Amino acid sequence: KQEVTQIPAALSVPEGENLVLNCSFTDSAIYNLQWFRQDPGKGLTSLLLIQSSQREQTSGRLNASLDKSSGRSTLYIAASQPGDSATYLCAVRPLYNFNKFYFGSGTKLNVKP
Amino acid sequence: EAGVAQSPRYKIIEKRQSVAFWCNPISGHATLYWYQQILGQGPKLLIQFQNNGVVDDSQLPKDRFSAERLKGVDSTLKIQPAKLEDSAVYLCASSSSGQRAFFGQGTRLTVV
Repeated sequence: KQEVTQIPAALSVPEGENLVLNCSFTDSAIYNLQWFRQDPGKGLTSLLLIQSSQREQTSGRLNASLDKSSGRSTLYIAASQPGDSATYLCAVRPLYNFNKFYFGSGTKLNVKP
Repeated sequence: EAGVAQSPRYKIIEKRQSVAFWCNPISGHATLYWYQQILGQGPKLLIQFQNNGVVDDSQLPKDRFSAERLKGVDSTLKIQPAKLEDSAVYLCASSSSGQRAFFGQGTRLTVV
């Protein structure tokens, strides 16, 4: 069974800093990986989707990379802002059942002004 | 395009009462998910529909939870009777055949 881990559980950085959030998974047979943002009390907002054949995806200040062989993905946030404060979750879809998600428990990010 | 709609946004009930949540997915999305998210944890899948058929309900507490998706579109999730440990955010999501999943705003349930 796929297990997804996100470390650290919480991260606090000063505004303007570049940062990296980590996601690791145990089974490299994945269909794709999706990064989400969740604000307190709200639903999940999709940030980036990386297909298994891709190495990275970029959207604005966000860059997500994927290394299937090592079971890792990173979300890079450039020039962090207080508005980036939220919980970031990654979710993996297995190759054998691509309609199923396995979620990590998230990294809670606080960007201090 | 319109997003995933959920209602209500908030609900407070006493234990042993019943409650129902509604979800309207993105038009054309065949896959619909209901998740339970307890504070500080990642979402836990309760039930997954493909059109109006159940694909996975292995983690649904069937003695108290039920869900249906009529005509492969809207879905309702019901809890009867509710327990204190059911206090959580209930999230509905939809996707089209392995593509990007979209989530609703969720329903925050408090059982007192």
